[in-house]
Amino acid sequence: DSGVTQTPKHLITATGQRVTLRCSPRSGDLSVYWYQQSLDQGLQFLIQYYNGEERAKGNILERFSAQQFPDLHSELNLSSLELGDSALYFCASSPSSGGYNEQFFGPGTRLTVL
Amino acid sequence: GQNIDQPTEMTATEGAIVQINCTYQTSGFNGLFWYQQHAGEAPTFLSYNVLDGLEEKGRFSSFLSRSKGYSYLLLKELQMKDSASYLCAVREGSSNTGKLIFGQGTTLQVKP
Repeated sequence: DSGVTQTPKHLITATGQRVTLRCSPRSGDLSVYWYQQSLDQGLQFLIQYYNGEERAKGNILERFSAQQFPDLHSELNLSSLELGDSALYFCASSPSSGGYNEQFFGPGTRLTVL
Repeated sequence: GQNIDQPTEMTATEGAIVQINCTYQTSGFNGLFWYQQHAGEAPTFLSYNVLDGLEEKGRFSSFLSRSKGYSYLLLKELQMKDSASYLCAVREGSSNTGKLIFGQGTTLQVKP
C-alpha cells in the first residue's frame, strides 16, 4: 500500500458523459501527478500539481482538466467522453517536485466508456 | 522529440540473472527511474539514476550512461514473483518538475 488513495476503483459510463476521478496523496506529499495507461499507449503523463498550482503538463486533452485543492487532494475531470478514453488512470504523489523525486502510485481508477 | 525504447518481452529462468535495456532520446534529462508493475496493479519504484554508473539495491541494480542515452536494470537470483512489467522512465523538463516519460515497458516472464 503506497498511501495514495484513488476513488472510484472502477467506473463505467457512456460516450459523451463527464466523470470525476479523485486522488488523495500520501500524508505530507505536496505534488500530485495524473497518468493515463492504455494498452496501446503505455503510461502517459497528463499533468502535475504542486501545492495547489499546476507545475507541468503533458499531452492532456482539452476535454480533460484537473485541480488540486487546499487539502492537497486532486480531481481529474474528463468530459465528452469517447471510447478511446477507456483506460487505467493513475494518480501518484511525491513530497516535492524537483531533485530525487520518487513518485508513489495509487491503485488506479479503471474507466470503461461504452 | 521523446523516445524511450525497451524490449517488449523477455523470458528467463528462476534463479538466473536478466538484464533489461532501455535507450532514450528526450528533450531534457533529470534522472532515470525504473518501476515494476504487476498486471492490473500500480507501478512501484525500483531505482533511480541521475549520474553515470551503477546503483545496487539488493537483487536489483541499475546502470546509466548519459552520453549514450542508455540504462539497464539487472535482476539477480530471479524469483517467480519477479514476473511483471518493468518500466523505464525519464524525468525531463526543468529540475523542479516531476514529469516522467515512460517507455512501453518490458514484460518479463520467469519460468521454473
